[in-house]
Amino acid sequence: ILNVEQSPQSLHVQEGDSTNFTCSFPSSNFYALHWYRWETAKSPEALFVMTLNGDEKKKGRISATLNTKEGYSYLYIKGSQPEDSATYLCAFINGSGTASKLTFGTGTRLQVTL
Amino acid sequence: EAGVTQFPSHSVIEKGQTVTLRCDPISGHDNLYWYRRVMGKEIKFLLHFVKESKQDESGMPNNRFLAERTGGTYSTLKVQPAELEDSGVYFCASSPFRRETQYFGPGTRLLVL
Repeated sequence: ILNVEQSPQSLHVQEGDSTNFTCSFPSSNFYALHWYRWETAKSPEALFVMTLNGDEKKKGRISATLNTKEGYSYLYIKGSQPEDSATYLCAFINGSGTASKLTFGTGTRLQVTL
Repeated sequence: EAGVTQFPSHSVIEKGQTVTLRCDPISGHDNLYWYRRVMGKEIKFLLHFVKESKQDESGMPNNRFLAERTGGTYSTLKVQPAELEDSGVYFCASSPFRRETQYFGPGTRLLVL
């Protein structure tokens, strides 16, 4: 059984604050870690695909790091804006065999207020 | 380029009825996935098509669920007969290659009463 854990479950910050979330995943049989941004009633939007230990990726004010040896990834948002309010999902792909299914965490729900 | 589309966006049915969900992947994407999110829980994998073949259906909950992808283009997911616990959001995703970015549709919200 693969467990992907995300923390915190929810977060409420003010505009301009920087914040970060954690995604924990099995450190054995790692293939890739995906981050998505999801606003309810819309399509989950792909943010990053991370595959190498030590990977750091950036998209505007959002960045992510990856540690495959200890099984965690951090997502950072610098200078949060109200439009960043969404649920941030991480999803793991197991390296065993050829399976490509995503195993998701429950997400971190971010609310940014003025 | 058009994204992944799903129809209907919402469906409310009674227990015991049949519902068919449709997914149109991004054109040219051979890989098509179905996922489901039950309220308050994580999004869970149902199955994976490569073109018209079922590659992995390990997440299908039981034989009340039937997925097809005739011709390797759009896919349908039929639930027959629907039960209360089938309520949730059904997502479809597609990708050009395995293990690469999966592009999600907006989901179908199914409520079984």
